Amino acid sequence: IVLTQSPGTLSLSPGERATLSCRASQSVSGDYLTWYQQKPGQAPRLLIYGASRRAAGIPDRFRGSGSGTDFTLTISRLEPEDFAVYYCQQFGMSPWTFGQGTKVEVK
Amino acid sequence: DVQLMESGGGLVKPGGSLRLSCTASGFTFSTSNMNWVRQAPGKGPEWVSSINGRGDYVDYAESVKGRFTISRDNAQGSLYLHMNSLRAEDTAHYYCVSGLLGSGGSSWGQGTLVTVSS
Repeated sequence: IVLTQSPGTLSLSPGERATLSCRASQSVSGDYLTWYQQKPGQAPRLLIYGASRRAAGIPDRFRGSGSGTDFTLTISRLEPEDFAVYYCQQFGMSPWTFGQGTKVEVK
Repeated sequence: DVQLMESGGGLVKPGGSLRLSCTASGFTFSTSNMNWVRQAPGKGPEWVSSINGRGDYVDYAESVKGRFTISRDNAQGSLYLHMNSLRAEDTAHYYCVSGLLGSGGSSWGQGTLVTVSS
């Protein structure tokens, strides 16, 4: 399953809303769609699993939604620490695959 | 807390071999699926291999099948990745991930860098 993320780069200011898209080449059960955040020099950090469940310690400004082939990660109000690269990943069908990432950068 | 510590990375020539290790603690290792995920510089993550708790089911990405072998030692709480016939395109940070990759209970180590170059 190929995951295509858009846009490639999102240029926004702190306090603005970010909307990131992840489109799958075939249907993925929502139970098996995950979002990660990655900052330079760090491992990916689990944000959202099961398409919409926040991982432990993740603030509620992060929201995941979607089903089938279209999934969305929304950050309601960007904080300075949210500027990073975000990846979606599916584990509904082997091989598990990742999207190519969306970079959220400071405008 | 779950702790995963990778080791064994380094510089190796094309065609060479390397063994990565991951030492785990803070959870019941023997019943946990384990995974290796790699990330080439400037690229997104790529799943490499998975193994179940008993070690009797393994799975590999097509890009490494026949060259890499995943294994585990439940008594030692360790996960391994034996890498043979290494290529330049295998250059990446290699991460050990516990649990079903992508599930809410999964955790990532900090990674070890493998560089394949002459």
